[in-house]
Amino acid sequence: DGGITQSPKYLFRKEGQNVTLSCEQNLNHDAMYWYRQDPGQGLRLIYYSQIVNDFQKGDIAEGYSVSREKKESFPLTVTSAQKNPTAFYLCASSVATGIEQYFGPGTRLTVT
Amino acid sequence: SQQGEEDPQALSIQEGENATMNCSYKTSINNLQWYRQNSGRGLVHLILIRSNEREKHSGRLRVTLDTSKKSSSLLITASRAADTASYFCATDGMGNDMRFGAGTRLTVKP
Repeated sequence: DGGITQSPKYLFRKEGQNVTLSCEQNLNHDAMYWYRQDPGQGLRLIYYSQIVNDFQKGDIAEGYSVSREKKESFPLTVTSAQKNPTAFYLCASSVATGIEQYFGPGTRLTVT
Repeated sequence: SQQGEEDPQALSIQEGENATMNCSYKTSINNLQWYRQNSGRGLVHLILIRSNEREKHSGRLRVTLDTSKKSSSLLITASRAADTASYFCATDGMGNDMRFGAGTRLTVKP
């Protein structure tokens, strides 16, 4: 899983609560990404950031928010507006966009 | 939207056999990458092939790219039980982000 950490590994929340997933990297990478993976499916891009203080929406950004105040950190908040938040969330980073990405171990979020 | 689509969705082979997985994509690319994911874990980068390359090798892996057909294949030779995982292709397509396919689930039986 390289130099990317995600915490916690498992997260449980009640419906209607916001929850923030942590992603930290010590690889000195400029670009960072958040993906969502549902059982038996591929990855869908939520948000990505090419540089500090800048980020762009991916394909499924609705109900999610991010910040990139530090190069090492790219936290993802799953808001109560996200209709179906239960999923496996993966964070990744790369030297620049469009090239090899290094992935964290993932956070499995369950909302009941 | 997913750019790449892997085929087959699932593949089951015996140890020692070769495994071939295919990926098709829709738009022009700068490069195509293959990743591996063990169950419940993060993805691991396997190989990157640029649009001006046709074939690339890395150990037991061989990747081909046909930009005229917008397709790529990943061949794993002499498979081992430890190769059991899901394999994804990813393309850089339009913009600065990556798009992943739904993956091929490979099972290698000992």
